[in-house]
Amino acid sequence: GAVVSQHPSRVICKSGTSVKIECRSLDFQATTMFWYRQFPKKSLMLMATSNEGSKATYEQGVEKDKFLINHASLTLSTLTVTSAHPEDSSFYICSAGAGRENNEQFFGPGTRLTVL
Amino acid sequence: GQNIDQPTEMTATEGAIVQINCTYQTSGFNGLFWYQQHAGEAPTFLSYNVLDGLEEKGRFSSFLSRSKGYSYLLLKELQMKDSASYLCAAMDSNYQLIWGAGTKLIIKP
Repeated sequence: GAVVSQHPSRVICKSGTSVKIECRSLDFQATTMFWYRQFPKKSLMLMATSNEGSKATYEQGVEKDKFLINHASLTLSTLTVTSAHPEDSSFYICSAGAGRENNEQFFGPGTRLTVL
Repeated sequence: GQNIDQPTEMTATEGAIVQINCTYQTSGFNGLFWYQQHAGEAPTFLSYNVLDGLEEKGRFSSFLSRSKGYSYLLLKELQMKDSASYLCAAMDSNYQLIWGAGTKLIIKP
């Protein structure tokens, strides 16, 4: 149990376009989902915490208008990278907690975004 | 500030034992996690420690000392498939994970 899916797994887009990434908890309800970004050989960087039915909480330095997060239901959160630029190319990973006592977060498989 | 330190890279031999250390400083503490991450993939959960002591799970064990702000991940009977990055993460008082940069483990035959 506790499976998280992400779609798409890879996306290549032109500079200036917008890209939407979906994160779904398949067999549990997640009131909170997390969006991370990872640069090559670097640690995971938390971008924002997505709460169902309310606005996301963004980390310092993350542009809210550029990285739009919507948590429409207990099983779906979306991250939209607006007006993407080459520097937005990265590995984006979502995670969700299943409310277990060990506070474990379950990660999606990640989305590799390449902006040309 | 909040900080996680772990070695950047380690090399070990197939069949041997390796210990990956992690020290942490966080605002409050709600547990220490270890994740395994293969290149190009998302992290997968290995262990969670919130009390002092050793937690054993098959070939992998994890140790925590809260007073020292220290944890280690012990991998026994190393296999080539264990070549990966191992991420240490501490959960602070706001239940937010503070991540280390990861330790790249290279297994040699």
